[in-house]
Amino acid sequence: QKEVEQDPGPLSVPEGAIVSLNCTYSNSAFQYFMWYRQYSRKGPELLMYTYSSGNKEDGRFTAQVDKSSKYISLFIRDSQPSDSATYLCAMSNTGNQFYFGTGTSLTVIP
Amino acid sequence: EPEVTQTPSHQVTQMGQEVILRCVPISNHLYFYWYRQILGQKVEFLVSFYNNEISEKSEIFDDQFSVERPDGSNFTLKIRSTKLEDSAMYFCASSTGTSAHEQYFGPGTRLTVT
Repeated sequence: QKEVEQDPGPLSVPEGAIVSLNCTYSNSAFQYFMWYRQYSRKGPELLMYTYSSGNKEDGRFTAQVDKSSKYISLFIRDSQPSDSATYLCAMSNTGNQFYFGTGTSLTVIP
Repeated sequence: EPEVTQTPSHQVTQMGQEVILRCVPISNHLYFYWYRQILGQKVEFLVSFYNNEISEKSEIFDDQFSVERPDGSNFTLKIRSTKLEDSAMYFCASSTGTSAHEQYFGPGTRLTVT
């Protein structure tokens, strides 16, 4: 059983576009939801976290969690070439063991 | 800005050898983690460590693996007898006591088993 599903892409958008990244999951006990950005050959960098359902905004980034649909999203507004990276979702029920998606590769074209 | 550091950046070892991967977590963090990422695959949780003991571990973390915090700054992952399938990037992460889920990752150690 795949705990977390994420479309690997690749996703290519023009600079300034709104990007929507999504993950679905099967374990209804998950309550911690994270988004990481990973550049090539680097460690994941924490972008956003959300506890339980709802929205969270931080600058150009908005994270949404819909627990009833087991679906989470990350929106990037006014995308920049520097946003080009792989975006990983991760989730947990305990806050310790996180289950990661495969990552979505994003390229923002100037 | 404080960050998690890991050494070495790349380790090559022969099958059956023991390796120790080292991490220096962020200084005021209390929770420590190891993850691995096989090339082209998902990041996978190995183990979490708090208050000098393992708090959670995955099925991957079998008897070949062990973790230790030998002093106040280092956190190590030991693989006793490496196998070819242990080849991967190994990431250390740490988090504070108040936000255990906000895990900050190091740059990783690339382990190649030949």
